[in-house]
Amino acid sequence: QVQLVESGGGLVKPGGSLRLSCVASGFTFSAYGMHWVRQAPGKGLEWVALISYDGSAQYYADSAKGRFTISRDNSKNTLFLQMNSLRVEDTAVYYCAKDSGNGNYIDFWGLGTLVTVSS
Amino acid sequence: QSVLTQPPSVSGTPGQRVTISCTGSSSNIGASYDVHWYQQLPGTVPKVLIYGNNNRPSGVPDRFSGSKSGTSASLAITGLQAEDEADYYCQSYDRSLSGLVFGGGTKLTVL
Repeated sequence: QVQLVESGGGLVKPGGSLRLSCVASGFTFSAYGMHWVRQAPGKGLEWVALISYDGSAQYYADSAKGRFTISRDNSKNTLFLQMNSLRVEDTAVYYCAKDSGNGNYIDFWGLGTLVTVSS
Repeated sequence: QSVLTQPPSVSGTPGQRVTISCTGSSSNIGASYDVHWYQQLPGTVPKVLIYGNNNRPSGVPDRFSGSKSGTSASLAITGLQAEDEADYYCQSYDRSLSGLVFGGGTKLTVL
């Protein structure tokens, strides 16, 4: 079955950096686009970024542009999110999520990793 | 401020029918992009409830249904059950933003 396991979250000071990883299994990772979606404590879902199946295209929410970089290593079934210049408002659970491949929606979610930005 | 607008909360009694609306614009729902719905039970990750406006993944009861018209969509739940108490999110694609957009979420309370 599909499994997405995130890691790399933690406590970081404002202005700092963090790199999230997501190891995928149970499906052909290299055939699907992948997303990062975040959820601030007690708040709703916010799409962060999307990377195409082969890594050739990346798309970002306005809140992530210029600060976050999504990438992938298909040889290791791993998705990444490099987050720089972190702000307090970036505090959230970050979910790795699999694109359905045929409809611009998410069909599987990881359990998430918590990023806390605080001084 | 979410790109898609949902009511913050709805409520109903067991057995009742409730609907949750989702309003977008001409750059997302109105541009003929599909609407999808997710259910997030307390303390869990979201799961897709409806995809492609009105399709249910296997395992989702037929008490859940979706519809779309113009720049809006709706999720209907019939025969409300206590286990339906959760947060519900609509989602579409926005061509101006070139990415996914979510509604702010609706908390369903079963009285």
